[in-house]
Amino acid sequence: KAGVTQTPRYLIKTRGQQVTLSCSPISGHRSVSWYQQTPGQGLQFLFEYFSETQRNKGNFPGRFSGRQFSNSRSEMNVSTLELGDSALYLCASSPLPGLGDEQYFGPGTRLTVT
Amino acid sequence: QKEVEQNSGPLSVPEGAIASLNCTYSDRVSQSFFWYRQYSGKSPELIMSIYSNGDKEDGRFTAQLNKASQYVSLLIRDSQPSDSATYLCALDPSGGSNYKLTFGKGTLLTVNP
Repeated sequence: KAGVTQTPRYLIKTRGQQVTLSCSPISGHRSVSWYQQTPGQGLQFLFEYFSETQRNKGNFPGRFSGRQFSNSRSEMNVSTLELGDSALYLCASSPLPGLGDEQYFGPGTRLTVT
Repeated sequence: QKEVEQNSGPLSVPEGAIASLNCTYSDRVSQSFFWYRQYSGKSPELIMSIYSNGDKEDGRFTAQLNKASQYVSLLIRDSQPSDSATYLCALDPSGGSNYKLTFGKGTLLTVNP
């Protein structure tokens, strides 16, 4: 079974631009969570989607948004990029929400904002 | 107050020794606890979960949970150089009602041959 895939793997953007990151969950997994990882703050929860609905959101500004499609694929968008948005963005999928034992991370998208 | 605290390390142990990684948390509601391993440049992978007080063993790994003292630990027996990685402690602070993982910043473990 294929793992979680994320595209693109690397991205360089300029301050003020916006970016869209994509995540395809493991086949059969319907819950997708997004995390931001930085050296200073560590891994921080962004949001979780299940059945095309955002179930949960972390403490991030409204510039961070996401959505989930009917095939469970998910995208996250960051508008008006800031230097501090440079990070590794990870998505994780699980069959259902709350199944921590069955949550698997993708390889991540490394975003650099210049 | 940070919800999950870990010693950032680095923790250095010789090959074959026991590595002990500790994590404390502030939210008493937490019910689910996880240990992830993250190799440099890779994504986190789950190695242990624990939900009840006491010990849980899986091969060379033992997770220990003490909800009264609000700490969770991971012991790695017979440490190998391949265990060298950052170990992340995570918990669900919602008690299961509004699941989202909160991570510590991780402890860097180095196992010396």
